[in-house]
Amino acid sequence: DIQMTQSPSSVSASVGDRVTITCQASQGISSWLAWYQQKPGKAPKLLIYAASSLQSGVPSRFSGSGSGTDFTLTISSLQPEDFATYYCQQANSFPLTFGGGTKVEIK
Amino acid sequence: QVQLQESGPGLVKPSQTLSLTCTVSGGSISSGSYYWSWIRQPAGKGLEWIGRIYTSGSTNYNPSLKSRVTISVDTSKNQFSLKLSSVTAADTAVYYCARDLSYYDLGFDPWGQGTLVTVSS
Repeated sequence: DIQMTQSPSSVSASVGDRVTITCQASQGISSWLAWYQQKPGKAPKLLIYAASSLQSGVPSRFSGSGSGTDFTLTISSLQPEDFATYYCQQANSFPLTFGGGTKVEIK
Repeated sequence: QVQLQESGPGLVKPSQTLSLTCTVSGGSISSGSYYWSWIRQPAGKGLEWIGRIYTSGSTNYNPSLKSRVTISVDTSKNQFSLKLSSVTAADTAVYYCARDLSYYDLGFDPWGQGTLVTVSS
């Protein structure tokens, strides 16, 4: 299985801050990576696909980059509605696997 | 737009079979070249992909669950289903269904709201 390791596991930040979350794959996955946002009691929501493509309707302050084994999700200016948990997911090979999550908390 | 809704018992006894159905609305489950997946999340933990089905009936399962999982599709009802046998407390989780576009590197979208299944006697 491909292991997806996210860091940090949690981050405290203020509104307006730039936040960067990293995701490392245990082996190369090219650009077969997606990012999701999950709020408490809700289903995950797709933010980024193919490592860097913004899903329709997602604010442009979200961006993704990387290929191979190292990926990042960046929120350029954190908004109150962005406090949530974020997951990466690889689609390069079975089984499809997710990172452990990064919780973005209010500072 | 396409919406998904999970349904099924919220309580299952240990050693029994968990059965859930996902109903797709706003579009035909057969239209487009899509897979349809089940994903679960124990309370306070991360996401685990269970498996997926293509509308032709072709399936892929997570090897960690493969011996206990069956995913099927009923195109006439616009539904797909999950059966997980011999459940234990470790199978207690919120179960989500999702349209699986990962074959095209497009992620899982949309997701159902999720349904909590508790395994307890």
